[in-house]
Amino acid sequence: AQSVTQLDSQVPVFEEAPVELRCNYSSSVSVYLFWYVQYPNQGLQLLLKYLSGSTLVKGINGFEAEFNKSQTSFHLRKPSVHISDTAEYFCAVSEPLKGYQKVTFGTGTKLQVIP
Amino acid sequence: EAGVAQSPRYKIIEKRQSVAFWCNPISGHATLYWYQQILGQGPKLLIQFQNNGVVDDSQLPKDRFSAERLKGVDSTLKIQPAKLEDSAVYLCASSLVGTGAGTDTQYFGPGTRLTVL
Repeated sequence: AQSVTQLDSQVPVFEEAPVELRCNYSSSVSVYLFWYVQYPNQGLQLLLKYLSGSTLVKGINGFEAEFNKSQTSFHLRKPSVHISDTAEYFCAVSEPLKGYQKVTFGTGTKLQVIP
Repeated sequence: EAGVAQSPRYKIIEKRQSVAFWCNPISGHATLYWYQQILGQGPKLLIQFQNNGVVDDSQLPKDRFSAERLKGVDSTLKIQPAKLEDSAVYLCASSLVGTGAGTDTQYFGPGTRLTVL
């Protein structure tokens, strides 16, 4: 069975500083990896996803993530955060099964950007 | 393009009462998901439909929760009777294909916040 671990429940960071949100996964098969963002009182929206090819994936709002198969990680990074990046970030793993995809979300990391 | 619609946005009920949530996915999306998000946790899949058939309901508490997807379009999720631990945000999402390739992006609605007193 697949699982996702987000070790940091909260990450405070000053505005314009870099940030890394960590995500580790486990699965017995090849999976696809996603990062979603949830702004207050809103649903989740896709930031980026890794399907295949280059291990460095660029997403919206200046975020990027690097897939590391040997370390089973998919950490999210941004070189300079903005106040508007304050939100909760969820890592997710998708496993293709017979006829459908099974998606498992991590517990989330709250990013608090401090002015 | 219209997004995923959910209603109501908020609901407060007493334990042992019944409640229903409605979801209208993005037009043309074959797969529909219902998630339960308890405060401080990630979304947990309750049920997944592909067109109007159920492909995964392994985490749905079937003694009290039920869901249907009418004509492969919109969907309702019902809780009867509700318990205190059902207090959560119920998220609906849809994806275009859902054939099992594993690559689909899910598009989420704003959620329904349920409080059970």
